[in-house]
Amino acid sequence: AQSVAQPEDQVNVAEGNPLTVKCTYSVSGNPYLFWYVQYPNRGLQFLLKYITGDNLVKGSYGFEAEFNKSQTSFHLKKPSALVSDSALYFCALVRDTGRRALTFGSGTRLQVQP
Amino acid sequence: EAGVAQSPRYKIIEKRQSVAFWCNPISGHATLYWYQQILGQGPKLLIQFQNNGVVDDSQLPKDRFSAERLKGVDSTLKIQPAKLEDSAVYLCASGLSGDNTDTQYFGPGTRLTVL
Repeated sequence: AQSVAQPEDQVNVAEGNPLTVKCTYSVSGNPYLFWYVQYPNRGLQFLLKYITGDNLVKGSYGFEAEFNKSQTSFHLKKPSALVSDSALYFCALVRDTGRRALTFGSGTRLQVQP
Repeated sequence: EAGVAQSPRYKIIEKRQSVAFWCNPISGHATLYWYQQILGQGPKLLIQFQNNGVVDDSQLPKDRFSAERLKGVDSTLKIQPAKLEDSAVYLCASGLSGDNTDTQYFGPGTRLTVL
């Protein structure tokens, strides 16, 4: 079985400060990891993914994520938060073989204060 | 490039009624997914199609849910009869190839309320 954990229901950060949204995973085999963002009344929007290679992945809107195999983590980061980054963030996982459906975490609400 | 289209955006029905949702994936995408997102949770897969064939329907409650993708393009998800616990957002996603590295692109979802 595979699973994704997002240990924080909500993260609060001041505008201009760096932000981190945490994600850990459990899987047998190699993981492919994804981050999505969900704005109110809208679907999930793809931010970035890790497949292989460089552990630091850069994505849309200045976001990046670092894959850490030893800690089984894939934390989302941004050097300087914007108020418009306030949304619900989901980490998701697919194994390298077998079932192709995404396994999602429960989501983390990011609140950026002006 | 047009994104994944879904309709209706909102639906309210009484329990035991039936309901259908429609999805049109991104043009040329071979793979189509239906996910159910209950409030406060991440989406969970209901069914996956590759072209017009079912790849994975292991999590679909087949006694009440059905889905089809007859011509390998758009898809319909039906619930009959609906239960209170079916209240959720139903998300459709599509992917170009369907392999495990593929990015899934999501539509805006249909919010279903069962009273």
